[in-house]
Amino acid sequence: EVLLVQSGGGLVQPGGSLKLSCAASGFIFSGSAMHWVRQASGKGLEWVGRIRSKPNNYATAYTASVKGRFTISRDDSKNTAYLQMNSLKTEDTAVYYCTKNYGDSFDFWGQGNLVTVSS
Amino acid sequence: QSVLTQPPSVSAAPGQKVTISCSGSSSNIGNNYVSWYQHLPGTTPKLLIYDNDGRPSGIPDRFSGSKSGTSATLDITGLQTGDEADYYCGTWDSGLSAVVFGGGTKLTVL
Repeated sequence: EVLLVQSGGGLVQPGGSLKLSCAASGFIFSGSAMHWVRQASGKGLEWVGRIRSKPNNYATAYTASVKGRFTISRDDSKNTAYLQMNSLKTEDTAVYYCTKNYGDSFDFWGQGNLVTVSS
Repeated sequence: QSVLTQPPSVSAAPGQKVTISCSGSSSNIGNNYVSWYQHLPGTTPKLLIYDNDGRPSGIPDRFSGSKSGTSATLDITGLQTGDEADYYCGTWDSGLSAVVFGGGTKLTVL
């Protein structure tokens, strides 16, 4: 059974940092690209970024609004992906999901973590 | 404002058919695969359609997808009250070098 179990999240002040984790099981994690998607309250899904697998040089890509502030990484020995969020803004407030690549789509999703950026 | 355009809402009666459209451009839908997701509030999104018209294991054949040019559609037949949810299309945008989603369509089963 494929499982993506997320941890982290919570309340942080504007300008602060937070790190989310996504622990995977039930599939060959090292061979899969991993993505992060977020959803602000009352809004639609927004892709945050992704990290590819080792054969693809762990290449990362990000949506424009988080470039230079967010970093996606992975530890294949722990089957875990990470989303490091720095210089957080109020508009980053959202539920964040990690999700597994399936070709050009996403077939399994983590349970989601609420990140609230507020003073 | 989303790169992919979906109607904000659609509705139909139980047992009927509904079509949800997703309009894009040559940089996204026109040259990349489209996927569709069902999202009920408080749950995680569920993959319904991949690669324009593929159905993952466990997804009933009441759900079908298609693509023509720079637009894609999701058809749901035999509507059930349990189908009430938000539906999103998604694809890669070669110009933005990013995954893009539609704004979402809220389905109401009257």
